Amino acid sequence: GNSVTQMEGPVTLSEEAFLTINCTYTATGYPSLFWYVQYPGEGLQLLLKATKADDKGSNKGFEATYRKETTSFHLEKGSVQVSDSAVYFCALQSNTGNQFYFGTGTSLTVIP
Amino acid sequence: GAVVSQHPSRVICKSGTSVKIECRSLDFQATTMFWYRQFPKQSLMLMATSNEGSKATYEQGVEKDKFLINHASLTLSTLTVTSAHPEDSSFYICSASKLQETQYFGPGTRLLVL
Repeated sequence: GNSVTQMEGPVTLSEEAFLTINCTYTATGYPSLFWYVQYPGEGLQLLLKATKADDKGSNKGFEATYRKETTSFHLEKGSVQVSDSAVYFCALQSNTGNQFYFGTGTSLTVIP
Repeated sequence: GAVVSQHPSRVICKSGTSVKIECRSLDFQATTMFWYRQFPKQSLMLMATSNEGSKATYEQGVEKDKFLINHASLTLSTLTVTSAHPEDSSFYICSASKLQETQYFGPGTRLLVL
């Protein structure tokens, strides 16, 4: 079946620190992979995505590379800001249907 | 990118009443809409999938008589929480997609049942 496992939080970092949030997946076929961000009190916003192996998604300084060999899609940012404080969700979309599978979310707090 | 709206953004209701939440795709025709529920500090749980003009497909454990879903047009789906109770209080999020493309998420509706 399809599932997503992501690093448990909460994660607290100082401003300008390096961020990694791990995400691994199991899937049949060739899924698309996503990172969504949820700011307090708001819905999900697409942060970045990758649709095939070795693709790198990037946006707002965040990056994630689709690694088929390790079934991973880790989120990274070289220098976090206070405004990056949010909950981050890793997700996959099966290529056999339209359904999304979400990880449990990782809460990030960046302190000045 | 595609825009999905939800209305209302927040609703407070008394126990026993019904609440309707609307989900609209503003700039594209959504062949499929999805309804999710999110409990505090937890991930999204898919409740049901609806295709325009047909009955919704509910996930296991979701009461179809309690959570009525109508997908009357290619730009509108509604979720009605019937006879709401405090345990139905949650954040409800819809998403919409065109054919097999990416899902675009609405901003969510926070429901509080007193």
